[in-house]
Amino acid sequence: DGGITQSPKYLFRKEGQNVTLSCEQNLNHDAMYWYRQDPGQGLRLIYYSQIVNDFQKGDIAEGYSVSREKKESFPLTVTSAQKNPTAFYLCASSDMTGSNQPQHFGDGTRLSIL
Amino acid sequence: AQRVTQPEKLLSVFKGAPVELKCNYSYSGSPELFWYVQYSRQRLQLLLRHISRESIKGFTADLNKGETSFHLKKPFAQEEDSAMYYCALRGGGGNKLTFGTGTQLKVEL
Repeated sequence: DGGITQSPKYLFRKEGQNVTLSCEQNLNHDAMYWYRQDPGQGLRLIYYSQIVNDFQKGDIAEGYSVSREKKESFPLTVTSAQKNPTAFYLCASSDMTGSNQPQHFGDGTRLSIL
Repeated sequence: AQRVTQPEKLLSVFKGAPVELKCNYSYSGSPELFWYVQYSRQRLQLLLRHISRESIKGFTADLNKGETSFHLKKPFAQEEDSAMYYCALRGGGGNKLTFGTGTQLKVEL
């Protein structure tokens, strides 16, 4: 099921360092999303994009940045301003035509601090 | 603000027993509800959505607007049902979802 590919699977960050998580989809979906998953807290939305060159903040955008230069790509940068970056990050995409379109998820990237 | 509550972190049942995973939501408009499931070592995937009124893998969920609930049910649990289940709500503009904190279902033999 390679519709959404996240890389790397594991990532380690040093203090004060920015890191970028990759998310690519070949489903021709307009919308893409980034979530953070922490134990006991479910999934929380970081950023989302409904169209190329446009994106909106989610519930926990502080310390993160994104870009959407291509329809198939939505990279997430975890900046040094994010004080608690250790988490599991999930990328998703969905079609925007019609209603009730489900989101399709990648395998995730686990980020840890060295 | 919209919110999804899954009160149980862990639900343990015996094989063949009925299962009910609880989900309550808070939303002022007309919600769209989903159940997502994450099996061990697999990616999160859609299980079912309320608008389809479907039964997937023996699971059903009915939207009860009076009780603002969308509980997931299955009459006879199977070992392969063991997984993490998330209830999600879509409301307002766009296609973004609000997830509950999840319930880990463990089916014991």
